[in-house]
Amino acid sequence: SAVISQKPSRDICQRGTSLTIQCQVDSQVTMMFWYRQQPGQSLTLIATANQGSEATYESGFVIDKFPISRPNLTFSTLTVSNMSPEDSSIYLCSVSGLRSTLMNTEAFFGQGTRLTVV
Amino acid sequence: AQSVTQPDIHITVSEGASLELRCNYSYGATPYLFWYVQSPGQGLQLLLKYFSGDTLVQGIKGFEAEFKRSQSSFNLRKPSVHWSDAAEYFCAVGAPLNYGGATNKLIFGTGTLLAVQP
Repeated sequence: SAVISQKPSRDICQRGTSLTIQCQVDSQVTMMFWYRQQPGQSLTLIATANQGSEATYESGFVIDKFPISRPNLTFSTLTVSNMSPEDSSIYLCSVSGLRSTLMNTEAFFGQGTRLTVV
Repeated sequence: AQSVTQPDIHITVSEGASLELRCNYSYGATPYLFWYVQSPGQGLQLLLKYFSGDTLVQGIKGFEAEFKRSQSSFNLRKPSVHWSDAAEYFCAVGAPLNYGGATNKLIFGTGTLLAVQP
């Protein structure tokens, strides 16, 4: 299986500031995704991180608010910009398409970053 | 559009009793189907998945699920629940990609919170 390391695991931030979350995978993967889980809610996809090109955002999410980078097949970052208390959520990185094994159809999740905006 | 419905928001069962969590999906073709479990403060753990073949799939922790195409359902079952099974359970649907069958973005249901009585 894939081991996904997300940093930071949690943070408390002031409104108006930005936070960058890192996602590192121990294997090369085809797909990387970023999800948000608001308190007491299910997971909602923010965007698909595309290597070497702009991320593909879902309806309701924009690049200016959630800029995403993916420089290679094992790493991605999500930035939450100009934060407000409404951005308090768990942000999760997910990957699929492990190139090193036959488990290329499974979707794996990181432990998440618990963000509180005050 | 793809969607997932988990009609039961909250279920309480007695320890040792059987369990069935319902999941219905909407998708134009045969999707990839997943069940994940999330314990308080934890990330998502994959319980089981269906891609093709045998419609009854076995997962970890004694869970199983049955894919019923005619009913667009993928219900999760366990014959005897343990207190440690108390958690939130998410059903998800995803589309296969052309890149070696990697899973595309997932659509999650709203989750079912399972409580286990002693």
